[in-house]
Amino acid sequence: DAKTTQPTSMDCAEGRAANLPCNHSTISGNEYVYWYRQIHSQGPQYIIHGLKNNETNEMASLIITEDRKSSTLILPHATLRDTAVYYCIVRPHNAGNMLTFGGGTRLMVKP
Amino acid sequence: KAGVTQTPRYLIKTRGQQVTLSCSPISGHRSVSWYQQTPGQGLQFLFEYFSETQRNKGNFPGRFSGRQFSNSRSEMNVSTLELGDSALYLCASSHGGGAREQYFGPGTRLTVT
Repeated sequence: DAKTTQPTSMDCAEGRAANLPCNHSTISGNEYVYWYRQIHSQGPQYIIHGLKNNETNEMASLIITEDRKSSTLILPHATLRDTAVYYCIVRPHNAGNMLTFGGGTRLMVKP
Repeated sequence: KAGVTQTPRYLIKTRGQQVTLSCSPISGHRSVSWYQQTPGQGLQFLFEYFSETQRNKGNFPGRFSGRQFSNSRSEMNVSTLELGDSALYLCASSHGGGAREQYFGPGTRLTVT
């Protein structure tokens, strides 16, 4: 699976948009970008995934660059409950369910 | 719909002992994956089961094993426990292979003394 690079930590003011970047310059054509988050002491939670088009759901938006070498997860109106470690994962869509987690980004939402 | 359940939630064992952890997936889900989370190594994939067959295995020694039953419930076993096996063990369930969403349980916190 392609390797991902994320900033170690980020801060965001409550109510503002949180933009979390991820670099995946070695991504292959059949690999999807997935985002999960882990709130302290809980199991990871699926957020969103995409292949090449931008995606939006009730939790977040995913913006993937045209060359697919990087992406940005956007939480439009961050709340204190969004404080968590966010993981960007790249994997083929039909290759089982193995997820390779990197270090993730620790997002701190501040009042 | 009930979420993924893991039992026990907390466990303390002594070096050299063995331990069995249990995971009950969401009803209707046929795939169960296991992960180990430690402060030093982060989240690492252990293995994945689908319809009672191991489909993928991570880079862990043979002391780590698992199985899945016909009702999709899964167990993982660690034999000859070492101090380094102290970790949060998480299981995730999904409908099938290559599922878009995997649902994680709360984990079992294992402490080896």
